[in-house]
Amino acid sequence: DIQMTQSPPVLSASVGDRVTLSCKASQNINENLDWYQQKHGEAPKLLIYYTNNLQTGIPSRFSGSGSGTDYIFTISSLQPEDVATYYCYQYNSGWTFGGGTKLELK
Amino acid sequence: EVKLVESGGGLVLPGASLKLSCIVSGFTFSDYWMRWVRQAPGKGLEFIGEIKPDGSKTNYAPSMKGRFTISRDNAKNTLYLQMSSVRSEDTATYYCARLGYSGFDYWGQGVMVTVSS
Repeated sequence: DIQMTQSPPVLSASVGDRVTLSCKASQNINENLDWYQQKHGEAPKLLIYYTNNLQTGIPSRFSGSGSGTDYIFTISSLQPEDVATYYCYQYNSGWTFGGGTKLELK
Repeated sequence: EVKLVESGGGLVLPGASLKLSCIVSGFTFSDYWMRWVRQAPGKGLEFIGEIKPDGSKTNYAPSMKGRFTISRDNAKNTLYLQMSSVRSEDTATYYCARLGYSGFDYWGQGVMVTVSS
C-alpha cells in the first residue's frame, strides 16, 4: 500500500501569508494526486486535481505542484476563510488519503 | 443543482449489519462512478470503495474488503453501502461522493454511524 505523509500536521499562519503544505508518498505516484479542503463540520471539497489543476470555481490563490513522491500545496495569500484541514489523496495505486494538515490563523 | 444525501446511519450494536443509502439528484447518476469515504471522529479521511456506473464492478480498499459491499440502483438514483459485522472501529461519518472528471467533485453531507453496546 502507498502511504501518504503530510507535513506539518498543524500550521499557524497570518492573513496574507504564503502557506506551503507538503505531501510525501512512499513511492512514485506519477502526479496522480488531488488536494481536498475540509472545513469544520463540512464535507471535503476538491481544490486541486492531478497535482496542479485548479478545480472549477476555486480561487486562484490555491495551487499545487510536484512530481514523483513529493508534492506541494500552496496558498499564495492566506484568507480567513481558508482555515481548514487539507488532505492530499493519491490514486496511482489504490486510493490513499494523507493524514491532513490543519491550518489555523495566528 | 447536484445533490447527494446520505441516510441510514445511527446507533448500531457490535456485530450487527447496517445499510446506508445515498440518494442523488441534479445529474445523470448512471454516467458516474460513485464512491464511499469515511471519517472517524477527529480523524482523517479513509477511502472505502467505488462502483462502476452500471454497477458491474466494484473496488475496495484492502482494509475494507469482506465486510463492506457497495451497490447501486440506477433506476432509483441511489447508492448503497452494506456494512456487516460492524465493530467499534467502524464508528465514523460516512460520505458518498461522485467521481467526476477531476476527482471527487461532489460530496454528500455525511451520515454518522456509531457502533456501541
